[in-house]
Amino acid sequence: EVQLVESGGGLVQPGGSLRLSCSASGFTFSYYSMHWVRQAPGKGLEYVAGISPDADRRLYADSVKGRFSISRDNLNSIQYLQMSSLRPDDTAVYYCVKDPRISYFDYWGQGILVTVSS
Amino acid sequence: HSALTQPASVSGSPGQSITISCIGTSSDVGLYHSVSWYRQHPGKVPQLILYDVTQRPSGISNRFSGSKSGSTASLTISGLQAEDEADYSCCALAFDGTYIFGTGTKVTVL
Repeated sequence: EVQLVESGGGLVQPGGSLRLSCSASGFTFSYYSMHWVRQAPGKGLEYVAGISPDADRRLYADSVKGRFSISRDNLNSIQYLQMSSLRPDDTAVYYCVKDPRISYFDYWGQGILVTVSS
Repeated sequence: HSALTQPASVSGSPGQSITISCIGTSSDVGLYHSVSWYRQHPGKVPQLILYDVTQRPSGISNRFSGSKSGSTASLTISGLQAEDEADYSCCALAFDGTYIFGTGTKVTVL
């Protein structure tokens, strides 16, 4: 059974940093692209970032480019999202998602809340 | 990238069919066959219900169907049921390899 478990969320002040982790199991992690998708309270889904299986390609939404960095550890089946210069509009539930073949997201984690507030 | 445009809400009576549109551009919806749809019940995690425009994952009812014409994709729910009441979002692969989600549609079963 595929499982994606996010951790590392919480409350952070504007301008601060936070690192999210996503532990994956139930599939061969190193074979698949992985992504982060977020949802602000009461709002729609927003693509954040993605990383190819061997990490040679990393993609970012314009809204986070230059502030967020995605990475992965294929040995331990973990992906990360390093977030810096956080702003109140980064407040959202962040989902770790699996991409079976550069087309869609077939599995989603339970999500982790990040709150940016003073 | 701007979010794909969906109607904010769509409603229908049990047994009816409803269609949700998803309007993009030639750089996303109109570019590839990579349009997917997600259903999200209140407080729950989004769930994939259609991929590659028309394909249903295992376990998804055949009451859900999809289509695409140019830069507009559509999701049709046939035989509307109370359990279909949820938020629905489209998503498309964009020209630069990122993804763009739609604005989301709240489906209400009257």
